[in-house]
Amino acid sequence: AQSVAQPEDQVNVAEGNPLTVKCTYSVSGNPYLFWYVQYPNRGLQFLLKYITGDNLVKGSYGFEAEFNKSQTSFHLKKPSALVSDSALYFCAVRFPTSGTYKYIFGTGTRLKVLA
Amino acid sequence: KAGVTQTPRYLIKTRGQQVTLSCSPISGHRSVSWYQQTPGQGLQFLFEYFSETQRNKGNFPGRFSGRQFSNSRSEMNVSTLELGDSALYLCASSLNNLAGGTYEQYFGPGTRLTVT
Repeated sequence: AQSVAQPEDQVNVAEGNPLTVKCTYSVSGNPYLFWYVQYPNRGLQFLLKYITGDNLVKGSYGFEAEFNKSQTSFHLKKPSALVSDSALYFCAVRFPTSGTYKYIFGTGTRLKVLA
Repeated sequence: KAGVTQTPRYLIKTRGQQVTLSCSPISGHRSVSWYQQTPGQGLQFLFEYFSETQRNKGNFPGRFSGRQFSNSRSEMNVSTLELGDSALYLCASSLNNLAGGTYEQYFGPGTRLTVT
């Protein structure tokens, strides 16, 4: 079955330290990969995507993500965390199926950046 | 460009009633998807509409239905509400045209539905 896993419910990091939020996937074909962020009482906001090309993609607010095909992972990273980065982060995969495509989301990882 | 708008933002209904939620996508976006977000189940895909046709459907009972109008606005209907339908319902739009597109989704703020 197609799936997306975010193995950590919560990640705590000190302000100024690098952060990593993990995502692995299991889908057939060549999926498109996305990261979204959700602030309290808001909808999800698009951060970045991997479609093809360079394995390191850069997105909004200084975030980047590394696509690793052999490990089927797409981890979100930031060199120096800010308190304002505290939010809920979702990894998502878009993949082809039965002549169309589907989106599935991970369960989300709550990032807490401590001052 | 205006973002995705959803109305109403909050709704309280009782069991057995029905409810209609509305979503206006970003101008020019033809694909509209609906999701249910709950603390326990995360983000669950309900359905997607493209050019007034349902293109994808998640694993929800028939009480959940939707439609899309010619201006790409979409509505979602839930009949015979159950307590478990309490959730944040999110609408997302994307360009997603057949010739390519950027594929990322743009989400509205959601409608918080409480069923009592």
